Amino acid sequence: GAVVSQHPSRVICKSGTSVKIECRSLDFQATTMFWYRQFPKQSLMLMATSNEGSKATYEQGVEKDKFLINHASLTLSTLTVTSAHPEDSSFYICSASPARYGYEQYFGPGTRLTVT
Amino acid sequence: QKEVEQNSGPLSVPEGAIASLNCTYSDRGSQSFFWYRQYSGKSPELIMFIYSNGDKEDGRFTAQLNKASQYVSLLIRDSQPSDSATYLCALRGITGFQKLVFGTGTRLLVSP
Repeated sequence: GAVVSQHPSRVICKSGTSVKIECRSLDFQATTMFWYRQFPKQSLMLMATSNEGSKATYEQGVEKDKFLINHASLTLSTLTVTSAHPEDSSFYICSASPARYGYEQYFGPGTRLTVT
Repeated sequence: QKEVEQNSGPLSVPEGAIASLNCTYSDRGSQSFFWYRQYSGKSPELIMFIYSNGDKEDGRFTAQLNKASQYVSLLIRDSQPSDSATYLCALRGITGFQKLVFGTGTRLLVSP
């Protein structure tokens, strides 16, 4: 149980284009989903927290207009990187939590984004 | 002081030995503690969580929590080369209660 999927697993895009990443909880309802970014040999960096049906809460320094998050259902959240630039190249990982107030998080397999 | 501190390692142990991974935290109000394993190039995988003082065992893994001393540890018995990975300690704090705060991780190397 507690399986989270992400799609795509790997994406290469040109600078200036937008990329959408999907995160799905497959066997539970996720009232809360999280989006992280991880650069090579660095730790996870939380970008935002989203609750189903409400606006995402972004961490300090994360541009909400650049990283659009939608959590339209209890099993799906999407992250759209708008006007991507090479410095946005990173490993993006979502996680989902079955409880409203956090508790354990289950991670998706991640999406490796390369912006050329 | 960082909220969650871990020694970056690497911690090297021979196959079959006990690996001991430690984590200290600064917020006394922290309620829940988690250990994740992350292989290179992969996403984190939940190993265990612990909420109460004392030990919690699951197979070869034992989590230990001491809230008075503000540390949590993970013991891996009969370590295997496949246990070689980065182990992340995380906690759910009292502020921004939905979030987990992660340490930077300890790299474990188990040699055959």
